[in-house]
Amino acid sequence: DTGVSQDPRHKITKRGQNVTFRCDPISEHNRLYWYRQTLGQGPEFLTYFQNEAQLEKSRLLSDRFSAERPKGSFSTLEIQRTEQGDSAMYLCASSTEGAGAFFGQGTRLTVV
Amino acid sequence: DQQVKQNSPSLSVQEGRISILNCDYTNSMFDYFLWYKKYPAEGPTFLISISSIKDKNEDGRFTVFLNKSAKHLSLHIVPSQPGDSAVYFCAASGINNAGNMLTFGGGTRLMVKP
Repeated sequence: DTGVSQDPRHKITKRGQNVTFRCDPISEHNRLYWYRQTLGQGPEFLTYFQNEAQLEKSRLLSDRFSAERPKGSFSTLEIQRTEQGDSAMYLCASSTEGAGAFFGQGTRLTVV
Repeated sequence: DQQVKQNSPSLSVQEGRISILNCDYTNSMFDYFLWYKKYPAEGPTFLISISSIKDKNEDGRFTVFLNKSAKHLSLHIVPSQPGDSAVYFCAASGINNAGNMLTFGGGTRLMVKP
């Protein structure tokens, strides 16, 4: 399977704990994005990487959130001191320049 | 302020008939538009796109129409099939959007009845 892969698919965590999600993009795609989707809403942009450089961050990305793409391949999204409001589907997407983005299946986070 | 809006939260259509899903946008800097289909517990799947230099793009049963003056686009599915039942998202990107980042509408749930 050469699509975008996300791990884990589901994560349940207690409030205050840290969580980390991983995304493996399509191999030839140099652009990688993280989005968040809550129930009944469309996906909202969080951050964007071109190769290993994080070029854009949304105001939605509070200082508890950090994303990395150390070698320009896979990416991680970490949420520190999780809050109930962080419960959402976290989507990763990748693309090449000038093309539409292809999404992974997402990681559903539930903070209890 | 929602820059991309899908004003119909749901649409029900009989199998074999046409489904028309609508989308409006406010940002005149958007120049590339996409439609995604989403099943529950899965990520969005890319369906079809259109550049602002065109007013129509067709791919099999799916056609997207763009009216730049009205800042409106629509997705036509003909004929509709029960497997098309899903949530459809309209998305837009533009020259001011970093790396083609997408701004999504809120989605329209399509139900195709057999």
